[in-house]
Amino acid sequence: SQLAEENSWALSVHEGESVTVNCSYKTSITALQWYRQKSGKGPAQLILIRSNEREKRNGRLRATLDTSSQSSSLSITATRCEDTAVYFCATYANSGTYQRFGTGTKLQVVP
Amino acid sequence: EAAVTQSPRNKVAVTGGKVTLSCNQTNNHNNMYWYRQDTGHGLRLIHYSYGAGSTEKGDIPDGYKASRPSQENFSLILELATPSQTSVYFCASGTESGNTLYFGEGSRLIVV
Repeated sequence: SQLAEENSWALSVHEGESVTVNCSYKTSITALQWYRQKSGKGPAQLILIRSNEREKRNGRLRATLDTSSQSSSLSITATRCEDTAVYFCATYANSGTYQRFGTGTKLQVVP
Repeated sequence: EAAVTQSPRNKVAVTGGKVTLSCNQTNNHNNMYWYRQDTGHGLRLIHYSYGAGSTEKGDIPDGYKASRPSQENFSLILELATPSQTSVYFCASGTESGNTLYFGEGSRLIVV
């Protein structure tokens, strides 16, 4: 079963704009990881946010976690063409020993 | 730098044939994983391993076997390949905390 899912299939923004990708999940978790996958490559981790954290930053990236609504967001500021990729959230549950991925949001940044 | 290497990168197999996808990691991670990626489904876990000699079923194990002969190597085996197993397969390694996975570049399998 899909225990995590991003809320948008695809987004398109112009370079320099900000964008937010949202994710909802269905079970209690210990951590949520955001990944980025560029065309022809494997996913690469961006930000890990634990269940006791509300916000985490990594350069132009900011992740939030709301355990009460079981949702997370990943915001990217000052987008660049190289941010074009598919973005996944993946949840790590208390009782599980592996991550479950959402279906991904395809982000296109155009000049 | 974390390194997970998959082979082959591309494979065409015939229905009913045997396919072995191999994965090697140099991260010295205990945990290794096989996911498949299909449009509309994201990444789904097939098998995983806690260490040499161990294999566990993930969410979609039917039609697949796994083998972990050493810390570094983890194979995915399709004994009787079917067209429904046409997909891109990703191997990953991770620490025991399981919070961060390091992925290979994928193996594209087409079963005809």
